[in-house]
Amino acid sequence: QVQLQESGPGLVKPSETLSLTCTVSGGSVSSGSYYWSWIRQPPGKGLEWIGYIYYSGSTNYNPSLKSRVTISVDTSKNQFSLKLSSVTAADTAVYYCARITMVQGVRWFDPWGQGTLVTVSS
Amino acid sequence: SYVLTQPPSVSVAPGQTARITCGGNNIGSKSVHWYQQKPGQAPVLVVYDDSDRPSGIPERFSGSNSGNTATLTISRVEAGDEADYYCQVWDSSSDHPEVVFGGGTKLTVL
Repeated sequence: QVQLQESGPGLVKPSETLSLTCTVSGGSVSSGSYYWSWIRQPPGKGLEWIGYIYYSGSTNYNPSLKSRVTISVDTSKNQFSLKLSSVTAADTAVYYCARITMVQGVRWFDPWGQGTLVTVSS
Repeated sequence: SYVLTQPPSVSVAPGQTARITCGGNNIGSKSVHWYQQKPGQAPVLVVYDDSDRPSGIPERFSGSNSGNTATLTISRVEAGDEADYYCQVWDSSSDHPEVVFGGGTKLTVL
């Protein structure tokens, strides 16, 4: 059973770059059947999709964040990562990584990591 | 961009049926997925592709999708079903498909 685990600093200063890693266990990021994604949730608010990556390195980002987001994959470590630059307090959120399963053109998020809270503050 | 509209809250007594709606323009032409999120926990997939259930999800959870409304139905509601529920689709109107989430519905079990 595949499991995902986020890791990274819980506190980032304004204007700096937020960096998180998602480690995949029980499965491989190199599997062609899946995409790997980041989603965030500000405190008390709803879910916001950030972007996703395929094992080949192909990416797709939320247009509202595209200028600041980079998602990469490291198949040797079975990990994928998120970088969000020039952060502000509005980027304070719980950040989730999730696997995207695709079957006959239909895609959904399952499973999700437990999430990690990142606070942007000086 | 594509918008999904959910009621902020739904309340139901134990043993009754809860229906949570997700509105969107011609949403019946899209595949809708539903996630359950309990306080302090990550979302969990409860229905995918409109009406399919992942393994381990009780048969009490079902989904439907037609016209401009998708619906998550929870039969014989239990106290443990109290959670936030989010619908989700893909908007493929541009060259790069985008993920869209509804704003979420808080289910309260009275």
